[in-house]
Parts: sequence; C-alpha cells; structure tokens
Amino acid sequence: DAGVTQSPTHLIKTRGQQVTLRCSPKSGHDTVSWYQQALGQGPQFIFQYYEEEERQRGNFPDRFSGHQFPNYSSELNVNALLLGDSALYLCASSQWRGYSANEKLFFGSGTQLSVL
Amino acid sequence: AQKITQTQPGMFVQEKEAVTLDCTYDTSDPSYGLFWYKQPSSGEMIFLIYQGSYDQQNATEGRYSLNFQKARKSANLVISASQLGDSAMYFCAILGGTSYGKLTFGQGTILTVHP
Repeated sequence: DAGVTQSPTHLIKTRGQQVTLRCSPKSGHDTVSWYQQALGQGPQFIFQYYEEEERQRGNFPDRFSGHQFPNYSSELNVNALLLGDSALYLCASSQWRGYSANEKLFFGSGTQLSVL
Repeated sequence: AQKITQTQPGMFVQEKEAVTLDCTYDTSDPSYGLFWYKQPSSGEMIFLIYQGSYDQQNATEGRYSLNFQKARKSANLVISASQLGDSAMYFCAILGGTSYGKLTFGQGTILTVHP
C-alpha cells in the first residue's frame, strides 16, 4: 500500500520563475492538504483540496494556487517565485469522514524548493 | 484559532529509557484532535499518534502513548524504551472541528537518543 508520494524531491529555481509540485495521496484518501515548512520551523498550512475544490486556505498570497484531479492527486503551483519561497513543501492526504477534528493527515516526504 | 506550545527545544535520553515530550494547547473549538509527528533529518513527517478531545482513554500506538489532560490542556508524548532511531524532531499539532486540514504545529522538540 503506497503512502503519500511527492515529486520532485528537490527543485532549484530562480526568482520570478513558476514551479509546479505534485502529490499523489495515500490509497483510499480523497483529500489533499499542502504545507510549507521553512528551515527550523513547524509546517504552515497553505490550503486543502476536496472534491476538486479549495476548501480551506491559510495565510498565503494568491501566487500560491492548486488543483485537484478526479483521481484525487493534486498540484501546487507557485508563481513569481521569491527568495523567501525557499522551503520544504509537504503534502498530506486524509480520508474525509464528515468531520474535521478526527481527520488523520498522513504526509509525504516533501519537495525541497530552493529559489536562487 | 488554535495554538500549540512546545517548551523543550531539545531533549536527551539514554537508549532503552522512557522520555516525555511536553505539549500544551489552546483552542476555542469544543471538539479538536491532537497529533504527534516525527520528522527525521530526511524531512518526511511521520504520523505517530492521535487523540480526540472526547476520547475517554489516552491513545497508545506501540511504544508511543499520549498523556492527555484536558483540564490542563496538555497532550504530552511518552516514548517508552527509546531506540537510537527515535532521534528526530517531534512536532505536536492540533486540528479544530472546522479546520479542514489546517493543522497548527508547535515549534518542535529535537530528541537525541544516546547509546
């Protein structure tokens, strides 16, 4: 049973470029959440996708956008990259059971993005 | 809004001994979930244990147990019989009833297990 898979594992971009990160959820999961983790910090929530729509969003600018496909996989897009976007981007999947507080999120290994 | 406080930046433990990692929380949600994750140097965030706010018993998962004291708003992680592979960063996190995937994490505790 495959867990949450993310690609690529590492990425180097320059300021102003655009990047797309990909995530495949754990088998049986239908919900995908994205997080940004700066060095030495806890992860920060970007947004969650369910039924191909953004359901919840954290405090991130519109440069951060996403998409969920019918097979539940998801993409995170970041436009006009800034140096401060350098971070580990984590994807988490869960199975929606109708209530948030017992939503167990399982994470992938992340994509390390470096912006030069 | 939710908040997690982990007051121990670093902890040391001898192999085969037990260790407790502290976590206190604050939330205005009547229902919530508390989580512990382990993050080794490889970066993957590994789910360890979950406690629901209405669960009557403390959660246990193998060598991990969660000491849940609701009145004190604490959710400490106890690792029994520490192993060298337990050396990692440990995060406590909370999910509110209408958070929809928005886990709020603490700053983490780095655990080092000595042989």
